[in-house]
Amino acid sequence: ILNVEQSPQSLHVQEGDSTNFTCSFPSSNFYALHWYRWETAKSPEALFVMTLNGDEKKKGRISATLNTKEGYSYLYIKGSQPEDSATYLCAFRALNSNSGYALNFGKGTSLLVTP
Amino acid sequence: DGGITQSPKYLFRKEGQNVTLSCEQNLNHDAMYWYRQDPGQGLRLIYYSQIVNDFQKGDIAEGYSVSREKKESFPLTVTSAQKNPTAFYLCASTRRGRGLYQETQYFGPGTRLLVL
Repeated sequence: ILNVEQSPQSLHVQEGDSTNFTCSFPSSNFYALHWYRWETAKSPEALFVMTLNGDEKKKGRISATLNTKEGYSYLYIKGSQPEDSATYLCAFRALNSNSGYALNFGKGTSLLVTP
Repeated sequence: DGGITQSPKYLFRKEGQNVTLSCEQNLNHDAMYWYRQDPGQGLRLIYYSQIVNDFQKGDIAEGYSVSREKKESFPLTVTSAQKNPTAFYLCASTRRGRGLYQETQYFGPGTRLLVL
């Protein structure tokens, strides 16, 4: 099992605040890094798949960066809204994975945005 | 709408009983996966199947069994040998199961298993 760490574990911000989370993963044998958003009572939903060092992806107010050499990815949310409240999961896939496209997940960062 | 369905939403197991969790997808995906989530833990891989009639153990397969007789279905049986089955179970699929591609996982809504 590959070690994927996410921080902080939870975060409570006010509407309009910008926030960011960190995902750290093994820097060797890197293949892909995924971010998912998991809202309560719903299925996890894919946000980004990142593969290249220096990658930056953006979806509306949410963006992510990737540093494969040092083994970390940042997820940023600009101007948080209550509908951004969810758990954000980071998942890593190794190049020589022998489990198909199964992913190694972090424990997630739980975000609560209050009006 | 294409997607993954899991049933039931809640499942209760008695001591010594085997129970089966259903997972069905109509995405025409080759590969399917079962993950388990415990409080304060990340998702952990139980079993996966890259293609019909083939499946492999994941990191925590002990006490579980699966079958993959049809492309769209990947049921998970929690056997009496699984001593701590209380958890949230998520099923997922990817379009392909092999090769060097970037594959997003699509998830079902999950089944919560409780022991009576």
